[in-house]
Amino acid sequence: IVMTQSPATLSVSPGDRAALSCRASQSLSGNLAWYQQKPGQAPRLLIYGASTRAPGVPVRFSGSGSGSDFTLTISSLQSEDFALYYCQQYNNWPPDFGGGTKVEIK
Amino acid sequence: EVQLVESGGGLVQPGGSLRLSCVASGFTFSNYWMHWVRQTPGKGLVWVSRIDGDGSYTSYADSVKGRFTISRDNAKNTLFLQMSSLSAEDTALYYCARDCSSPTCYSVFDSWGQGTLVTVSS
Repeated sequence: IVMTQSPATLSVSPGDRAALSCRASQSLSGNLAWYQQKPGQAPRLLIYGASTRAPGVPVRFSGSGSGSDFTLTISSLQSEDFALYYCQQYNNWPPDFGGGTKVEIK
Repeated sequence: EVQLVESGGGLVQPGGSLRLSCVASGFTFSNYWMHWVRQTPGKGLVWVSRIDGDGSYTSYADSVKGRFTISRDNAKNTLFLQMSSLSAEDTALYYCARDCSSPTCYSVFDSWGQGTLVTVSS
């Protein structure tokens, strides 16, 4: 399954809302996860099941979508949220990751 | 606290072999499927291999099948990846990752190590 994330880079001001898109080449039945990766760190699970926050993830992170189109929304960007974000499908084997969206400070 | 600590990466010549290890702590290791995922600037994150809790079931990405072997030692809370016939295309940061291992999130990676760098070059 081909996972396409857009945009590649998103420039946002602190406090603003950010919406990251992930599109799959086929339907995922909601089996979609989001990860955050900061420079020099491993990915961190944020969302699974398209909309379920992982333990400890702030409520400003929310996931939505169904079928083949999904969105990660960060309601009010904090300084620690500027990072790379990846989506991952686990509906079909093997799991596939998107190419990532970099959220940078505007 | 869940911790995964990889080791064993390094510089290896094309055609060579390397064994990666990942020591787990903070959870009951044998209850979880475990994975190896690699990352490169060009190809991003790519799943490599997985193993079930007792080590009886394994699977591999097509790109490494027949060259890589995943295994685990539950008595030592350690995951392994034996890599052979390495090529430049295997150069990557290798992460071990824990599977969520719940009916609602199998194949979701809920904890990751910091990674170990493998460089294949002459």
